[in-house]
Amino acid sequence: QQQVKQSPQSLIVQKGGISIINCAYENTAFDYFPWYQQFPGKGPALLIAIRPDVSEKKEGRFTISFNKSAKQFSLHIMDSQPGDSATYFCAAKAGGWGYQKVTFGIGTKLQVIP
Amino acid sequence: DVKVTQSSRYLVKRTGEKVFLECVQDMDHENMFWYRQDPGLGLRLIYFSYDVKMKEKGDIPEGYSVSREKKERFSLILESASTNQTSMYLCASSSGQGMEDTQYFGPGTRLTVL
Repeated sequence: QQQVKQSPQSLIVQKGGISIINCAYENTAFDYFPWYQQFPGKGPALLIAIRPDVSEKKEGRFTISFNKSAKQFSLHIMDSQPGDSATYFCAAKAGGWGYQKVTFGIGTKLQVIP
Repeated sequence: DVKVTQSSRYLVKRTGEKVFLECVQDMDHENMFWYRQDPGLGLRLIYFSYDVKMKEKGDIPEGYSVSREKKERFSLILESASTNQTSMYLCASSSGQGMEDTQYFGPGTRLTVL
């Protein structure tokens, strides 16, 4: 049972285009939503994150849009570059202090072609 | 910078062997995690630890055990390796401080069980 549903599984975008990855969740106890980026041969690394009291967060070319009522959030990569080619994982976290288990989506493999 | 190291990048074992995967973090983090990464399934939590000698089962603990005798080291043990345990194994650590606590990942160990 997938608690965080991510789509698409793979995405090909032309250089300069917009990459969009979508995620949805059911558990209303989730209250922190990070995105991780993984390059081949490396472990995932935190890219950007959002709290549900904010509808949008932007860091450079990366933007998270969050729709609390629909329980959906998405990552937009503006002006996509070949260097953005990686696997992206959305994730969700519930609870406050302590062990802070993170639930990950299945990942989206992004390829940006010149 | 946080550094999470894993003992091997590639490992080949035979069915029935006992396998040890080691992970070390250098940031005095409270929490440590073991995930396996499979195409189309994303990152799935096997076990995590929130303190020395403390452990909790994740989503897929069957066939695995863990050990945390020192704060910086977290070991994943496959008591009797099977071919369905062929996968990429990722270790992560986090401080456990606050909701926006980040998980830091190692580079992964690609295990093949023949």
